[in-house]
Amino acid sequence: ILNVEQSPQSLHVQEGDSTNFTCSFPSSNFYALHWYRWETAKSPEALFVMTLNGDEKKKGRISATLNTKEGYSYLYIKGSQPEDSATYLCASNNAGNMLTFGGGTRLMVKP
Amino acid sequence: NAGVTQTPKFQVLKTGQSMTLQCAQDMNHNSMYWYRQDPGMGLRLIYYSASEGTTDKGEVPNGYNVSRLNKREFSLRLESAAPSQTSVYFCASSAGRSPFSGANVLTFGAGSRLTVL
Repeated sequence: ILNVEQSPQSLHVQEGDSTNFTCSFPSSNFYALHWYRWETAKSPEALFVMTLNGDEKKKGRISATLNTKEGYSYLYIKGSQPEDSATYLCASNNAGNMLTFGGGTRLMVKP
Repeated sequence: NAGVTQTPKFQVLKTGQSMTLQCAQDMNHNSMYWYRQDPGMGLRLIYYSASEGTTDKGEVPNGYNVSRLNKREFSLRLESAAPSQTSVYFCASSAGRSPFSGANVLTFGAGSRLTVL
């Protein structure tokens, strides 16, 4: 079982603030890193899947980077809005293992 | 465009009762999964199915059984519910033939909140 950790566990920011959080994962035999967004009472939805060291992906105000050598990924949200409030889950896929999820970062954006 | 549909959304059971969570996907996906979500913990894999007729244990299979009835449907059964099985359960599916494939993006259902008293 892989050790995938996310920090912080929860985060409160004001509307308009930019924020970021971290996912750390085992760097050995790495295949892919996933980010999902989970709003309360809804299904988790895929944001990004990244496979290459140095990958950067962007969707609107949300972007993510990947460092496979040191085993971490950052998720950035620029100019947070109340609708960004959700739990952000990362998951790592390493050789011989199923996708393993971190505990999530719960983001709350205050208007 | 239903995606992944799971039922029921909520259920309260007494210890020892049995129940089945139903899941269906309409995306012609090959692989299907059952996860549980507990506070402060990531999604933990209970069982998965890489194709119709095959099922395999995940990280936390004890106390559960599954059935891949056909390509669309994957059910999760609790034979004798225990308070430790109080959780939110998610069904998911992916297009890839191997659940071990890294780029296998998951599509999730809306979750089923189960309480065992």
